[in-house]
Amino acid sequence: GAGVSQSPSNKVTEKGKDVELRCDPISGHTALYWYRQRLGQGLEFLIYFQGNSAPDKSGLPSDRFSAERTGESVSTLTIQRTQQEDSAVYLCASSVEDRVYGYTFGSGTRLTVV
Amino acid sequence: AQSVTQLDSHVSVSEGTPVLLRCNYSSSYSPSLFWYVQHPNKGLQLLLKYTSAATLVKGINGFEAEFKKSETSFHLTKPSAHMSDAAEYFCVVTGTYKYIFGTGTRLKVLA
Repeated sequence: GAGVSQSPSNKVTEKGKDVELRCDPISGHTALYWYRQRLGQGLEFLIYFQGNSAPDKSGLPSDRFSAERTGESVSTLTIQRTQQEDSAVYLCASSVEDRVYGYTFGSGTRLTVV
Repeated sequence: AQSVTQLDSHVSVSEGTPVLLRCNYSSSYSPSLFWYVQHPNKGLQLLLKYTSAATLVKGINGFEAEFKKSETSFHLTKPSAHMSDAAEYFCVVTGTYKYIFGTGTRLKVLA
């Protein structure tokens, strides 16, 4: 598509429930990233996918967080047993393999855990 | 290891006056540096990037940034602020695929 698409744009969930966030990258972008932005803070790296290579999961804050990507297509970020501290905007970005071109970000999913 | 520090969390300027948003970085190797802008309830947009070519980088909407290795700085400037420039600005450093974001500077433009 023309840009990075994320869904849903907003999600309110009860504490303890599981949520799944979706990211549809720009066609042809081999790299895909998930970041988290808490209110009033910068972005925290969560996970990075590059083609068929093993993902870099070093930023995932706990084992409740997981992400998948099939090939160079859609990615899903799953948060199990959500906690209030998971409330944040989750941003997805994609890029061509060469980092110097910069990421293109989606508009994010605003997750609120009540 | 890499890090980035945005020296001001908030900056206020009057419309038509210059803008200066300060960023210092730390990197053990030659970095790439970026500035992103985030308007309220909008996604992040790339303003400009430095990737070891010209040290003075021009971006969109009249913004510029100068890479100064001796000062480890990459400050963002604009000669004349416009009301539409009010937003959050993020300085980013990377030496690999992983971006390291600053904590952001919120720019307020006064009429």
